[in-house]
Amino acid sequence: DGGITQSPKYLFRKEGQNVTLSCEQNLNHDAMYWYRQDPGQGLRLIYYSQIVNDFQKGDIAEGYSVSREKKESFPLTVTSAQKNPTAFYLCASSAWGQGRRSEQYFGPGTRLTVT
Amino acid sequence: QQQVKQSPQSLIVQKGGIPIINCAYENTAFDYFPWYQQFPGKGPALLIAIRPDVSEKKEGRFTISFNKSAKQFSLHIMDSQPGDSATYFCAAEKQGGSEKLVFGKGTKLTVNP
Repeated sequence: DGGITQSPKYLFRKEGQNVTLSCEQNLNHDAMYWYRQDPGQGLRLIYYSQIVNDFQKGDIAEGYSVSREKKESFPLTVTSAQKNPTAFYLCASSAWGQGRRSEQYFGPGTRLTVT
Repeated sequence: QQQVKQSPQSLIVQKGGIPIINCAYENTAFDYFPWYQQFPGKGPALLIAIRPDVSEKKEGRFTISFNKSAKQFSLHIMDSQPGDSATYFCAAEKQGGSEKLVFGKGTKLTVNP
């Protein structure tokens, strides 16, 4: 059963702690993305990666870091420098390249609460 | 600067009604316009998409209308059902293969029985 897995579904952390959100895909997609969703704000791009060992900042990368050591994995670390980390985080992937448009498939999301 | 403006923010219709969600964009380099549907606590899923070389696309009860000169596109849901209650996002992507979607802020649709 192909898809994107995000874990955990709910995550609670104390202010000042770094936290890593997991994202795994078995769709053999080259590209992976992290979005942040806040009420009334839509989806905002944090980071994206089009190939292993390479990634680019999105629109709101400050306070976040990522790695792409494997094609199927794209973990996101929310650092203590992120001023307002409480949000719903969505991971997505797509078959980038091949000269065609490709749908972005989203995972179920992780709701992070920092107190 | 918001590149894709979506309206309304929320919409309530009765079962069988035809909700219409509108989006407008400024960047003429956009050439791919998908709509995503999101149920509470879930990730968005692609509903329907259009390219600017056509003015309309239908898939089941969902229709996208596209007006290239006005830089606007809209989603119509025919014979809406309570199960269509969800948040809908329009998006746009630039030609050139950057694969970065720009999303509207979303419309929360409620279809009452």
